[in-house]
Amino acid sequence: AQSVTQPDIHITVSEGASLELRCNYSYGATPYLFWYVQSPGQGLQLLLKYFSGDTLVQGIKGFEAEFKRSQSSFNLRKPSVHWSDAAEYFCAVGDTGNQFYFGTGTSLTVIP
Amino acid sequence: NAGVTQTPKFQVLKTGQSMTLQCAQDMNHEYMSWYRQDPGMGLRLIHYSVGAGITDQGEVPNGYNVSRSTTEDFPLRLLSAAPSQTSVYFCATGLEASQNYGYTFGSGTRLTVV
Repeated sequence: AQSVTQPDIHITVSEGASLELRCNYSYGATPYLFWYVQSPGQGLQLLLKYFSGDTLVQGIKGFEAEFKRSQSSFNLRKPSVHWSDAAEYFCAVGDTGNQFYFGTGTSLTVIP
Repeated sequence: NAGVTQTPKFQVLKTGQSMTLQCAQDMNHEYMSWYRQDPGMGLRLIHYSVGAGITDQGEVPNGYNVSRSTTEDFPLRLLSAAPSQTSVYFCATGLEASQNYGYTFGSGTRLTVV
């Protein structure tokens, strides 16, 4: 069965610092990988996705993620965090079927 | 263009009561789904539909029913609410199930069962 692990429950970074959120997945073939962001009281918004091709994908709001097959990882990065990036971030994995699995989320706090 | 509309936003139920959570979309998306979000559990798929008249179970379907009589609507029914169903419920839609174009999420329904 597919699964997604986000090892960091909560991360705190200073505004302007770089950010990396970790995501590891378990899946037999090449998965579809996603990162979503959830602001308080809101639904999830898609940041970026990976299906195939270039392993470094660019998303909205200055985020990027790198697919590393050897490490079964799809970590999310941002070079310089803004206060508005404070939110909960979810990694998700799926295939060509109809079900997708979300990680438990990483809560990001940005301090001035 | 409203996107995905969920109603109500908040609801308190007594154990054993029934209710229907509504999800409506105006994007002509074929795929619609319901997730529940619980602390430390992430989002778990309850039921999904790949088109009108077609529904299937997700990871945690027990205690919930769905139907899809139109493309636009995908209601989630709780027949006899239990405290374990206290959660935040999200409706997610997509052009297709494979997320080629990403999912669009509603803003959620916060349900408390006492």
